[in-house]
Amino acid sequence: EVQLLESGGGLVQPGGSLRLSCAASGFTFSSYAMSWVRQAPGKGLEWVSGISGSGSSTYYADSVKGRFSISRDNSKNRLYLQMNSLRAEDTAVFYCAKVYYVTDAFDIWGQGTMVTVSS
Amino acid sequence: SYELTQPPSVSVSPGQTARITCSGDALPKQYAYWYQQTPGQAPVLVIYKDSERPSGIPERFSGSSSGTTVTLTISGVQAEDEADYYCQSADSSGSVVFGGGTKLTVL
Repeated sequence: EVQLLESGGGLVQPGGSLRLSCAASGFTFSSYAMSWVRQAPGKGLEWVSGISGSGSSTYYADSVKGRFSISRDNSKNRLYLQMNSLRAEDTAVFYCAKVYYVTDAFDIWGQGTMVTVSS
Repeated sequence: SYELTQPPSVSVSPGQTARITCSGDALPKQYAYWYQQTPGQAPVLVIYKDSERPSGIPERFSGSSSGTTVTLTISGVQAEDEADYYCQSADSSGSVVFGGGTKLTVL
């Protein structure tokens, strides 16, 4: 079964750091681009960052550029999001998502991990 | 990056047809995708490349494109279709954008 499982969320103070992890299974992880998408409480979906299958290309939303860093370890089938200088407005459920073949769509999503930035 | 605009809400009676629009200047050049999200759940892809349906998605879900507007059509709406629907696209730089979402209410 194709599955994504996020971990690493929690409560962090403003200015703090957190590292999210996403464990992939059931597909050839290295063959697919991946992304992180977040959803603030009661709000819509916001794309955060994406990475190519090899990890050589990375992309960021303007709202997180310079603060967040996406990476992957294809030997461990894991996707990561390093989040620094966190702000209250970063509070959200963070989903990892698999790209659907050679498209820009996301066909598999994890269950999400909650990040709360508050003092 | 550019913006995608959706109506905040659409209401329809069971058995009727729901149409949810998404507008964006880049849509004539970029594909659109649609997701369904029910409360507390992750989004589910229901349409890709403007009008293609992933396996397992009911035939009552369809998509179309005309100029700067794409449309998700749900024919014969059922109570279980009540959800939030998001359109999504991407630009040539690799950035992804989502519409603000449309809440579909089945009356």
